[in-house]
Amino acid sequence: DVKVTQSSRYLVKRTGEKVFLECVQDMDHENMFWYRQDPGLGLRLIYFSYDVKMKEKGDIPEGYSVSREKKERFSLILESASTNQTSMYLCASSPLRDRGSKQPQHFGDGTRLSIL
Amino acid sequence: DAKTTQPTSMDCAEGRAANLPCNHSTISGNEYVYWYRQIHSQGPQYIIHGLKNNETNEMASLIITEDRKSSTLILPHATLRDTAVYYCIVRTANAGGTSYGKLTFGQGTILTVHP
Repeated sequence: DVKVTQSSRYLVKRTGEKVFLECVQDMDHENMFWYRQDPGLGLRLIYFSYDVKMKEKGDIPEGYSVSREKKERFSLILESASTNQTSMYLCASSPLRDRGSKQPQHFGDGTRLSIL
Repeated sequence: DAKTTQPTSMDCAEGRAANLPCNHSTISGNEYVYWYRQIHSQGPQYIIHGLKNNETNEMASLIITEDRKSSTLILPHATLRDTAVYYCIVRTANAGGTSYGKLTFGQGTILTVHP
């Protein structure tokens, strides 16, 4: 079974803090994704990566950065956390074939982040 | 990506088949139909996907109409643990730019399985 593991299920941080969310997958997938999920807004793509050290912006990259130093690990960074970044953050991975469009994405259980 | 329409909610008795419909009348020839579900407080779980032929795996069956404008996800013997929000998604096979590999979930169908 594909396993995508996010480092924390719940996290509380303060405004202005630098926040790191970690994601690890064990299936040797090339593609990795970070989404946020908010009530009424559905799933929105923040960043994705299709190879080590490669990253591309999704629909809402502002206020975030990412790091992919190893194939299995994709980190999301909130440079200076703000209250509007309170959300559920979901990491996903998929194999490279067709750049992930046909292959299903597998998700972690999410990190519920609260910024106070 | 084509827009999908799903009922807001459905109920099913435990042990019976759950049939979840999805309309995707604007689907184009290279778009796949995917189904995911999300159990409360968990990440989305991939269920099944298909292009034009019916598909079956250990979790469910996917029936796609001949004109591909609608599909039905079938959970053959629903259990209480199948209570979740079910999302039907249509995606291109060769997305480019910022839609590259991106998943877009609509509101989905809240399936409640009753004892």
